[in-house]
Amino acid sequence: GQQLNQSPQSMFIQEGEDVSMNCTSSSIFNTWLWYKQDPGEGPVLLIALYKAGELTSNGRLTAQFGITRKDSFLNISASIPSDVGIYFCAQPTNFGNEKLTFGTGTRLTIIP
Amino acid sequence: ETGVTQSPTHLIKTRGQQVTLRCSSQSGHNTVSWYQQALGQGPQFIFQYYREEENGRGNFPPRFSGLQFPNYSSELNVNALELDDSALYLCASSAGLAQETQYFGPGTRLLVL
Repeated sequence: GQQLNQSPQSMFIQEGEDVSMNCTSSSIFNTWLWYKQDPGEGPVLLIALYKAGELTSNGRLTAQFGITRKDSFLNISASIPSDVGIYFCAQPTNFGNEKLTFGTGTRLTIIP
Repeated sequence: ETGVTQSPTHLIKTRGQQVTLRCSSQSGHNTVSWYQQALGQGPQFIFQYYREEENGRGNFPPRFSGLQFPNYSSELNVNALELDDSALYLCASSAGLAQETQYFGPGTRLLVL
C-alpha cells in the first residue's frame, strides 16, 4: 500500500531559525498536501500542490512538489512560537479520492 | 459558519464495551470522513460517508461502523472495544469528494482500559 515517510521525525530549533522537512512516497501521485496539527486539535491544511516542480507559498511557509513526483518539501522561514506542532504530508488516493493517506509526521519544537 | 464539531471530547471505556462518537459537519458539507490517530502516528482512514452512503473504507474490521444522517452529521460506532482502539478519532467534512478541502474537527480522545 501507499506509504509516506517524513523526515526528520522531530526538530528542536530556536525562534527565528528556518525549518526544512520532507516527505517521500513509495508511489507516484498527482497531489501533495501539507497539514499542521496543534495539540488538542485536528489537522489544518496549509498548502496543496498539484504539479511536479510546483513551488507554492503561504506566508512564511513554502512547499515544493518534487520533480520525481515521489517527494515533497516544506520550508518555514523565520520560525515563531506558534509554528510549534506536528506537520504531516498527505496524499489522496489515486482513484476515487475517497481517503487521505498521512505521513508519519514531523514534530517541531521551538526552544526559547 | 460553524466548523466541524465532535462529541464527546474525551471518553473512557473498558474492553468489550461499545462506543458511539458523533460529528457535526461544517455547514454546506455533504461528505464526512473518519480517521483514527494513535499516539505518535498520522491519522489512518477508517471510512467515508457521502450523501448518507458509505463511500470507501480503510483497513478496519467490521466492528467499526458508521452512519450519516440527512443533515450530514455522522456517527462512528465501535463494538467489542480492544485496548488498541485507544486513540484520537478525527472527523473531517468536505463539500463533495475533493479531499484537499477537508476540514477536521478537534477529535474525540478514546481510552480503553
